[in-house]
Amino acid sequence: DSGVTQTPKHLITATGQRVTLRCSPRSGDLSVYWYQQSLDQGLQFLIQYYNGEERAKGNILERFSAQQFPDLHSELNLSSLELGDSALYFCASSVTPGQGSYEQYFGPGTRLTVT
Amino acid sequence: AQKVTQAQTEISVVEKEDVTLDCVYETRDTTYYLFWYKQPPSGELVFLIRRNSFDEQNEISGRYSWNFQKSTSSFNFTITASQVVDSAVYFCALSEAAVGTGNQFYFGTGTSLTVIP
Repeated sequence: DSGVTQTPKHLITATGQRVTLRCSPRSGDLSVYWYQQSLDQGLQFLIQYYNGEERAKGNILERFSAQQFPDLHSELNLSSLELGDSALYFCASSVTPGQGSYEQYFGPGTRLTVT
Repeated sequence: AQKVTQAQTEISVVEKEDVTLDCVYETRDTTYYLFWYKQPPSGELVFLIRRNSFDEQNEISGRYSWNFQKSTSSFNFTITASQVVDSAVYFCALSEAAVGTGNQFYFGTGTSLTVIP
């Protein structure tokens, strides 16, 4: 158990809908990262937050947004969902924004299925 | 261009055989960090090791060992006397230390290892 929690574990929704994925980092970790893992794209970095502020942005679509709250939990919002958004979404946390030096600990993931 | 290349998509070995998973990376930074993660069938990503660019010492942890060679930009992972529980997808990742990059990880495409009993 990494200490990172994600809810829900599974989510099934229809195209065009909006969903929110939630993540709680390990105790003491200030940085949260979101990744998307799909069969054709592999593991893709979406976005990083550090202590409530956006720190780095990867291949995140405009239909997707995220935020980190004062209690350090984070939410990833996915809107206008398309079939291609079906994937496993991971949240990870680390101690600091590092400058790359710290390992990230991953949650169990949320499997999103868009029908 | 891919920053991390794992050329082996799938590997199958018989239990107790040794197996090496290759990882080649690309970066212009002089300070960077390399990682290996394991993703078993249950789906979670498990951290295995971190190595910084200034430490080329090889590391051994039980049946696992890692060979870091800056000259060839490689960070290979060897499992000795493989076991069925080693069956998983293994990811190599790179993180660069340049200011402004945060802690973004660049993952390879993974190597799926199957250990046959």
